[in-house]
Amino acid sequence: AQSVTQPDIHITVSEGASLELRCNYSYGATPYLFWYVQSPGQGLQLLLKYFSGDTLVQGIKGFEAEFKRSQSSFNLRKPSVHWSDAAEYFCAVGAWGGDMRFGAGTRLTVKP
Amino acid sequence: DTGVSQDPRHKITKRGQNVTFRCDPISEHNRLYWYRQTLGQGPEFLTYFQNEAQLEKSRLLSDRFSAERPKGSFSTLEIQRTEQGDSAMYLCATLVLAGGSSYNEQFFGPGTRLTVL
Repeated sequence: AQSVTQPDIHITVSEGASLELRCNYSYGATPYLFWYVQSPGQGLQLLLKYFSGDTLVQGIKGFEAEFKRSQSSFNLRKPSVHWSDAAEYFCAVGAWGGDMRFGAGTRLTVKP
Repeated sequence: DTGVSQDPRHKITKRGQNVTFRCDPISEHNRLYWYRQTLGQGPEFLTYFQNEAQLEKSRLLSDRFSAERPKGSFSTLEIQRTEQGDSAMYLCATLVLAGGSSYNEQFFGPGTRLTVL
């Protein structure tokens, strides 16, 4: 069965500092992996996705993620965080054309 | 704005009442998903449609829940005899599933927040 674990419920970083949000997945086949962001009162916005190929994927808003099959991980990174990045971040694993399983989310707070 | 709309955005109801939510997808999107999101959790899959056919239902979808997509366009999610535990954000997402190897992302609507008193 598909499942996703986001070990960090809440992370606080200073503006301008680097960020890494962790995601571990469990899936029997080659996974499709996603990171979404959700701001208060807003819907989910796709940051980036991985299907195959280069294990380092670039997304919107300066985010990137690296797929590591040996560690079953898909961690999200950003070199310099902006105050507007404060939001809830969700990692998800899915099958082609099918439903997705989401992690519980990591809430990011950005200190001035 | 992803192009997926949901109505209403907020619904407050009393326990035992029936409620219905609507999702209007992006016009050419043939797959439509419903998720439920409770506070502090990620979205949980409920059900999905391929055109008008309901292809999968989660065991989270009790008998009090029913979803339809009668003409393969908009979809409705009805909850009968609501309970306080039904209080959550109900999200709709759509995608266009076409031939080929690329996975098309799901586009999410803004959600309907249900509060059951």
